[in-house]
Amino acid sequence: AQSVTQLDSHVSVSEGTPVLLRCNYSSSYSPSLFWYVQHPNKGLQLLLKYTSAATLVKGINGFEAEFKKSETSFHLTKPSAHMSDAAEYFCVVSTTTSGTYKYIFGTGTRLKVLA
Amino acid sequence: EPEVTQTPSHQVTQMGQEVILRCVPISNHLYFYWYRQILGQKVEFLVSFYNNEISEKSEIFDDQFSVERPDGSNFTLKIRSTKLEDSAMYFCASGGRVSGNQPQHFGDGTRLSIL
Repeated sequence: AQSVTQLDSHVSVSEGTPVLLRCNYSSSYSPSLFWYVQHPNKGLQLLLKYTSAATLVKGINGFEAEFKKSETSFHLTKPSAHMSDAAEYFCVVSTTTSGTYKYIFGTGTRLKVLA
Repeated sequence: EPEVTQTPSHQVTQMGQEVILRCVPISNHLYFYWYRQILGQKVEFLVSFYNNEISEKSEIFDDQFSVERPDGSNFTLKIRSTKLEDSAMYFCASGGRVSGNQPQHFGDGTRLSIL
């Protein structure tokens, strides 16, 4: 069965410093992986997706993620945190059963950005 | 940019009552989903819907739950005889103009509170 594990439930960074949110996946075949962000009282917004085209994936708002098969990782990074990045981030794997797809979510990482 | 819209944003209901959560998916999408997030827990898959029928449902999606696409634009989740443990944020998503592995687009959610 496919799954994702987010290694940190909370991450705090200072504004202007790099962000690293860690995600490891488990999959018996090449996975489709996503990062979503959830701001308070809002829905889930797609940041970026990996679907085997390129290992380094660029997303919105300066975020990017690198797919590393040898490490089964898909960590999310940003060079310089902004106050508006404070939110909850979800690593997601898309899994299929007989041609239908569904998302399996990680437990989420709450990012706090300090002034 | 097209959005998934959900109504109401917050629903308060007495235990034992029926509720209907409404969603308007993105118009040219073919695949529809409901997920829920109990406070403090991860987002969980409930059901997927394609071609006017359920594609897959989770163990959570028992006979208490049903989904319907009554008029070609709305996608509803009905919960009969609500229980306290049904209190959660319910997210609708749509995706897959071509295949089910396209990114899913989420609404802002309906917060369901059962008293």
